[in-house]
Amino acid sequence: DADVTQTPRNRITKTGKRIMLECSQTKGHDRMYWYRQDPGLGLQLIYYSFDVKDINKGEISDGYSVSRQAQAKFSLSLESAIPNQTALYFCATSDGTSGRDNEQFFGPGTRLTVL
Amino acid sequence: AQRVTQPEKLLSVFKGAPVELKCNYSYSGSPELFWYVQYSRQRLQLLLRHISRESIKGFTADLNKGETSFHLKKPFAQEEDSAMYYCALKRLGNTGKLIFGQGTTLQVKP
Repeated sequence: DADVTQTPRNRITKTGKRIMLECSQTKGHDRMYWYRQDPGLGLQLIYYSFDVKDINKGEISDGYSVSRQAQAKFSLSLESAIPNQTALYFCATSDGTSGRDNEQFFGPGTRLTVL
Repeated sequence: AQRVTQPEKLLSVFKGAPVELKCNYSYSGSPELFWYVQYSRQRLQLLLRHISRESIKGFTADLNKGETSFHLKKPFAQEEDSAMYYCALKRLGNTGKLIFGQGTTLQVKP
């Protein structure tokens, strides 16, 4: 089945370390997104990409960077992790080519803990 | 500014009772609104969208532009409805970006 996968699923790291979260999809979608989920805050958009050459900041991009290596891959990096980046991170995709783009498909999430 | 508000963090009901999960939004244009659901150990997934005017798993949601609300309702809750529910709004234009509310945990007790 076409799917959205995230690696790693869980990660514990220390303050100041660089860390990369990876997202891959086999849905053939052109659009990809990174969100973080915090209790009481819902999902907040970090970065999004509408194709390989189109990357945009979301609501909370400070402290994060992304790379769209291919249509199917979208990586999120924390250059120097800090404890308040401890959260659950979700990747999502959507199909922008149909002109409807009404549904996002989510990965299973990566639980990141920064000590 | 566009915003989605879900005032309840937790809603607890007994099986068979009616359920209403509240969602209010602020938006300057014509919104597209969605409900996403996350069951335990499963991925976040689309439940329903207002433009489809459909009933999914017994849930319905009507867009009320006068009250700027998109409440999710079900007449008789089931234990398998227990999950986290997110209301989401799509921004102007064909951008695909969604604004999510804070989420409401629905707990259906036996």
